[in-house]
Amino acid sequence: SQTIHQWPATLVQPVGSPLSLECTVEGTSNPNLYWYRQAAGRGLQLLFYSVGIGQISSEVPQNLSASRPQDRQFILSSKKLLLSDSGFYLCAWTGAYGYTFGSGTRLTVV
Amino acid sequence: AQTVTQSQPEMSVQEAETVTLSCTYDTSESDYYLFWYKQPPSRQMILVIRQEAYKQQNATENRFSVNFQKAAKSFSLKISDSQLGDAAMYFCAYDRLAQKLVFGQGTRLTINP
Repeated sequence: SQTIHQWPATLVQPVGSPLSLECTVEGTSNPNLYWYRQAAGRGLQLLFYSVGIGQISSEVPQNLSASRPQDRQFILSSKKLLLSDSGFYLCAWTGAYGYTFGSGTRLTVV
Repeated sequence: AQTVTQSQPEMSVQEAETVTLSCTYDTSESDYYLFWYKQPPSRQMILVIRQEAYKQQNATENRFSVNFQKAAKSFSLKISDSQLGDAAMYFCAYDRLAQKLVFGQGTRLTINP
């Protein structure tokens, strides 16, 4: 069966520090992968999506970047975090029945 | 660009009663998918129900059903026999053939015992 792993679950980082969030998918090959961000009490905003290794599409100009070094690995990064980068980050992939989400990372920038 | 609108920020219902959550969307496409996702306090996104736009029959999953009105671009979720475990944020979402999922702002559902 397909599973999606996302870590860490929570993260507190100072302003100006780097960021690396990782997401991996098991049990499938060449999935479409997505990074979403959710501000408190609001809907999900698509940040990046990838249809294959090295192929990244950005939806929102921001302080973040994404990479897909392997088929089932998707990484969200930042060189210098801003206070506005705080939020709940979700990784997702598309399967036969729809989108499956990871358990999320709660990022607090202080 | 496609947009999804949920006009009810909050809803409440008595346990065992029925509640309907509203959703409208805007698209010029004819083939697409619509979803309802549930987000409990754990913040895990859980798929509740899916509707293919080419199907006229409304999707049903146990106590959850939808009223899909393609011409009106409306996609409401009906929860029958509401249970305490149904309390959560509910998000309506649109997808154009697995390109990307566009979400509404969500409806917070409270179940009163």
